[in-house]
Amino acid sequence: GNSVTQMEGPVTLSEEAFLTINCTYTATGYPSLFWYVQYPGEGLQLLLKATKADDKGSNKGFEATYRKETTSFHLEKGSVQVSDSAVYFCALRSNDYKLSFGAGTTVTVRA
Amino acid sequence: ETGVTQTPRHLVMGMTNKKSLKCEQHLGHNAMYWYKQSAKKPLELMFVYSLEERVENNSVPSRFSPECPNSSHLFLHLHTLQPEDSALYLCASSQNTQVVETQYFGPGTRLLVL
Repeated sequence: GNSVTQMEGPVTLSEEAFLTINCTYTATGYPSLFWYVQYPGEGLQLLLKATKADDKGSNKGFEATYRKETTSFHLEKGSVQVSDSAVYFCALRSNDYKLSFGAGTTVTVRA
Repeated sequence: ETGVTQTPRHLVMGMTNKKSLKCEQHLGHNAMYWYKQSAKKPLELMFVYSLEERVENNSVPSRFSPECPNSSHLFLHLHTLQPEDSALYLCASSQNTQVVETQYFGPGTRLLVL
């Protein structure tokens, strides 16, 4: 079946630091890959997505590249801000209705 | 309003109560979903509706009963819940159920069962 594994948190960074959250997946077929973000007290928001191999999704300074050879979709941001503090979820969708989510990584950015 | 809205945002209920969660999407989408988010567990898909027909029931206990009267509204009827059902219940919608389609989430209903 499909599964997503992302690095465990929590991750604590200082402002302007570089952020990487690793995500690897197992899937049948040709999955689409997503990163969602959940700010405190809110629902999930789509951050970026990629629907085929070698695609790069980007939004709000975040980037992730769909790597089929390593089955990975790592999230990166070059310079984080306090407002980036949130829980980040990697997810995939392959051949069925379900989004399979990773466990989530809590990121805290200190001023 | 735009996007996906959910009411109520917070709900406390006893095990013998009956309550309903409401979700409304203003995006013109044809597919809607209920997810459960429990502490320290990945999000779990509960139900999927496509064009008002249920297409997925992910082994959810019968004390949870979904209803989709039209493509814009989705309900989750709750009765005789257990304390372990306390969680954040998220509604989502997408244009259709194809793999590449993005699901857009509402803010969730935080449910506490006493």
